[in-house]
Amino acid sequence: DAGITQSPRHKVTETGTPVTLRCHQTENHRYMYWYRQDPGHGLRLIHYSYGVKDTDKGEVSDGYSVSRSKTEDFLLTLESATSSQTSVYFCAISPGTSTVGELFFGEGSRLTVL
Amino acid sequence: GDSVTQMEGPVTLSEEAFLTINCTYTATGYPSLFWYVQYPGEGLQLLLKATKADDKGSNKGFEATYRKETTSFHLEKGSVQVSDSAVYFCALRDNTNAGKSTFGDGTTLTVKP
Repeated sequence: DAGITQSPRHKVTETGTPVTLRCHQTENHRYMYWYRQDPGHGLRLIHYSYGVKDTDKGEVSDGYSVSRSKTEDFLLTLESATSSQTSVYFCAISPGTSTVGELFFGEGSRLTVL
Repeated sequence: GDSVTQMEGPVTLSEEAFLTINCTYTATGYPSLFWYVQYPGEGLQLLLKATKADDKGSNKGFEATYRKETTSFHLEKGSVQVSDSAVYFCALRDNTNAGKSTFGDGTTLTVKP
């Protein structure tokens, strides 16, 4: 158990409203990632973090921002949600400081934008 | 950039049938390779992995061999069970670039009794 929790697990919101998803880890893992999962697209990387206040963009970062002000929390924000951002969002961590091993995933946050 | 191509699904098999899900990749470095499995309503979890060429990963009767010459990591199981029904993702991890992972589109496997 990598001790990852995501919140909220489900959210329905309206177009144009801001949304923040939270990923919380109980260990001191360095690397954290946000992915979105859509049918036919697998998982696509939105943003990632390699330390406190150290973040970078992934392949589908437009419309998203992130923050990591402390090691255990990695926040994903949709400043103004659109219907195209309806998706399931997964947070993942890499144990310790490794960049070789597997990722551990949270249970996902299902977001619906009406 | 890195990419992963895996066999399109869905795949439907009878119990005890042989399973192969093809996966090929392109990468500039020497990535680690993974198969993840996802059950309904859950996040992905590791099924098996291989971190260098010619390594064989295995778990729960599933196997995959890291073939650098063919840039492949095909998943196999000799006799599938109903409980193997899930979505399977092939992935690579670039250990030189903040460990970013690239995933295939996923293959849905349904095993019928």
